[in-house]
Amino acid sequence: SSELTQDPAVSVALGQTVRITCQGDSLRNYYVSWYQQKLGQAPVLVIYGKNNRPSGIPDRFSVSSSGNTASLTITGAQAEDEADYYCNSRDSSGNHLLFGGGTKLTVL
Amino acid sequence: QLQLQESGPGLVKPSETLSLTCTVSGGSISSSIYYWGWIRQPPGKGLEWIGSIYYSGSTFHNPSLMSRVTISVDTSKNQFSLKLSSVTAADTAVYFCARTAVDSSWAFDYWGQGTLVTVSS
Repeated sequence: SSELTQDPAVSVALGQTVRITCQGDSLRNYYVSWYQQKLGQAPVLVIYGKNNRPSGIPDRFSVSSSGNTASLTITGAQAEDEADYYCNSRDSSGNHLLFGGGTKLTVL
Repeated sequence: QLQLQESGPGLVKPSETLSLTCTVSGGSISSSIYYWGWIRQPPGKGLEWIGSIYYSGSTFHNPSLMSRVTISVDTSKNQFSLKLSSVTAADTAVYFCARTAVDSSWAFDYWGQGTLVTVSS
């Protein structure tokens, strides 16, 4: 498959835990990276590889994976986590890169 | 601190060629452990990978755009460039340049701020 599928929108109550998923056949073989994008800004890498966070990214962000689905979990969502989230990986051939369609996270 | 900065015309006419340059500062584009890429985002829509280049000039591209895309690198200027030919209104987007680590994740860890390119006569 040459697609990564994300739910268009997810909401979470302040302080609660939310999971954002990314599905694709290539995810059985390749790691997923996750990006946070706020309105009018460039995306920011929040998680990559097995469960690596760049410097400055809070540890409430974590990832897990099962079969063809990768998940970004935010444990104790904060108001500043409200943003669009994109997953990114390689396609099934391994020769090209893909982005998911993005998930808009609303923190209530 | 690594910085990437996109530059180029903000308005391109239909059927013409879009040309953008990404200038890298605070680090060398000739590093053996990174690729350098272009990603775009149409207004109100998601991210689309366009293609990536290694300092040696080796490239790989999104198959859906490959016939129209040329990516090149100038190590002497610490820059890499994008040319997209035969543009239409559908190519109107914010264009980002970004760095990718050549490892198991291929994550884009540093991004430029992006530049809006509008295709219109």
